[in-house]
Amino acid sequence: DAGVTQSPTHLIKTRGQQVTLRCSPKSGHDTVSWYQQALGQGPQFIFQYYEEEERQRGNFPDRFSGHQFPNYSSELNVNALLLGDSALYLCASSSGQGDQPQHFGDGTRLSIL
Amino acid sequence: GDSVTQMEGPVTLSEEAFLTINCTYTATGYPSLFWYVQYPGEGLQLLLKATKADDKGSNKGFEATYRKETTSFHLEKGSVQVSDSAVYFCALSTTNRDDKIIFGKGTRLHILP
Repeated sequence: DAGVTQSPTHLIKTRGQQVTLRCSPKSGHDTVSWYQQALGQGPQFIFQYYEEEERQRGNFPDRFSGHQFPNYSSELNVNALLLGDSALYLCASSSGQGDQPQHFGDGTRLSIL
Repeated sequence: GDSVTQMEGPVTLSEEAFLTINCTYTATGYPSLFWYVQYPGEGLQLLLKATKADDKGSNKGFEATYRKETTSFHLEKGSVQVSDSAVYFCALSTTNRDDKIIFGKGTRLHILP
């Protein structure tokens, strides 16, 4: 049973570019949350998707957007990249019923030059 | 707003020593409390959780007790092993589904043989 899978593993971009990160949830999970983990910091909640809608959002600008597909997979898009967007981006999946803990993927390491 | 404060690391101990990592929180209502662990090269894993006052979460020899009167959730282990070397995150959630997690900055633990 595959857990949460994220792609790509690593990514290098330059300032001003746009990036798309992808996440496939654990089998049986229908809710996907995205977190940003800067170096030496704890993860910060970006937003969450359920039934293809953004259900909750953290304190991140509109440059950060997302999407959830009918198969529950999700994308995180970041526009107009800044140096400060360099971080590990984590995807976590869970059941909409809230009866199981979140499972985290290994993350995508995004570096902005 | 809701937040978590945990002791700064790194913490370096010898094998078989007693471990305490302090964690305090600020939250409205009655949050669920968590400890997550991030082993080198691996993703975030839930270590233990507690959902109400005086609950004790435990796993792999680690324990933490939900203390509402002191707003604390300190992590303890009686005898650490080299394999416990990792980064430990204290966290909370105030949502019904425990799916929007607020993390502390993390504490890096080094265990010497």
